Amino acid sequence: GNSVTQMEGPVTLSEEAFLTINCTYTATGYPSLFWYVQYPGEGLQLLLKATKADDKGSNKGFEATYRKETTSFHLEKGSVQVSDSAVYFCALSAAASGGSYIPTFGRGTSLIVHP
Amino acid sequence: DAGVIQSPRHEVTEMGQEVTLRCKPISGHNSLFWYRQTMMRGLELLIYFNNNVPIDDSGMPEDRFSAKMPNASFSTLKIQPSEPRDSAVYFCASSLASSGGLQETQYFGPGTRLLVL
Repeated sequence: GNSVTQMEGPVTLSEEAFLTINCTYTATGYPSLFWYVQYPGEGLQLLLKATKADDKGSNKGFEATYRKETTSFHLEKGSVQVSDSAVYFCALSAAASGGSYIPTFGRGTSLIVHP
Repeated sequence: DAGVIQSPRHEVTEMGQEVTLRCKPISGHNSLFWYRQTMMRGLELLIYFNNNVPIDDSGMPEDRFSAKMPNASFSTLKIQPSEPRDSAVYFCASSLASSGGLQETQYFGPGTRLLVL
């Protein structure tokens, strides 16, 4: 079946540090890949997405490139801010067994940014 | 657009009571998802509807849980009887699936925080 593996947290950084959160996936066919962010007390919201190999999704200074050869979609940001503190989820949408399309989420990675 | 609307936002109940969670998806979306989030188990997909029809309910924990979608603008998740281990945040999400079924971006509601005493 489909699966998403992302690095465990928490990831603790100082403000203006470089961020990488690793995400790898297993899926049939050609999935769409997503990063969602969850701020405290809120639901998940889309951060960025990529729908085909070599596409780069970007938003709010965050970037991730769809790497089919390594089945990865790592999230990066050059300079994090305190306001980026949240939980980040890597996800995919691809065909599941039985022909239906079911979203698959990673476990989430908590990011804590200190001033 | 108001986004996905969930009610109630908070629910405190006693073990054995019936709990009903409600969701209004974004107008025009044809897929609806119910998730449960806990510290121990993370985000779990409970059930997913496409065009009001349940497609996959393999994530529903047990017979105490049931979900309905009587029309395109409303869904309920019911727990009867509730137990303390059901305490969690329950999210509803909606999306627009292509004719082939591929899901695009999901839009999540703010969640219902359920505490069963």
